Amino acid sequence: DQQVKQNSPSLSVQEGRISILNCDYTNSMFDYFLWYKKYPAEGPTFLISISSIKDKNEDGRFTVFLNKSAKHLSLHIVPSQPGDSAVYFCAASAGQTGANNLFFGTGTRLTVIP
Amino acid sequence: DSGVTQTPKHLITATGQRVTLRCSPRSGDLSVYWYQQSLDQGLQFLIQYYNGEERAKGNILERFSAQQFPDLHSELNLSSLELGDSALYFCASSPQTGKGEQFFGPGTRLTVL
Repeated sequence: DQQVKQNSPSLSVQEGRISILNCDYTNSMFDYFLWYKKYPAEGPTFLISISSIKDKNEDGRFTVFLNKSAKHLSLHIVPSQPGDSAVYFCAASAGQTGANNLFFGTGTRLTVIP
Repeated sequence: DSGVTQTPKHLITATGQRVTLRCSPRSGDLSVYWYQQSLDQGLQFLIQYYNGEERAKGNILERFSAQQFPDLHSELNLSSLELGDSALYFCASSPQTGKGEQFFGPGTRLTVL
């Protein structure tokens, strides 16, 4: 049972434009949501997170939006740069249940075209 | 560099064999997590240790086991290996902030022939 879903396996965006990556979840017990970036042959790199009590968190070019009623979150990257090309994973945890493991989506491959 | 180290980077072995993967967490992190990523799959949680004690279990097979030692490094033992166990195995550690973030090592690529 996939509790975190990324329905778009790939996304292509022109350099300088906005990239929007989407993620849906089913478990209402999730209290933190995270985005990771992964290059081939490397481990996932933490990008940004958001608590379930917030609806927006911003860090430089990266902004995460959370819509709890829709059980949906998105990552906005603006402006997009060629170095942003990677696979992006959405993840969630339910720390309040005592378990801090992450549930991951299957990833979206972002390609930023120069 | 996340500060989490994993060895070996690559491992090739045969079906029926046993292997041990090693992980050292970031300095100061007490929690270690193991994840498996099979081809075209997201990362699947296997097991968590906190300060030497097992804290949570995910989709870990009975043929797999793990432990965390007093110096906080962790080992994941995979036995009676099958072709389907070929995957990337990641270790992660987390600080005590409670914000959910985990920091991942570079992974061990296991190939079972």
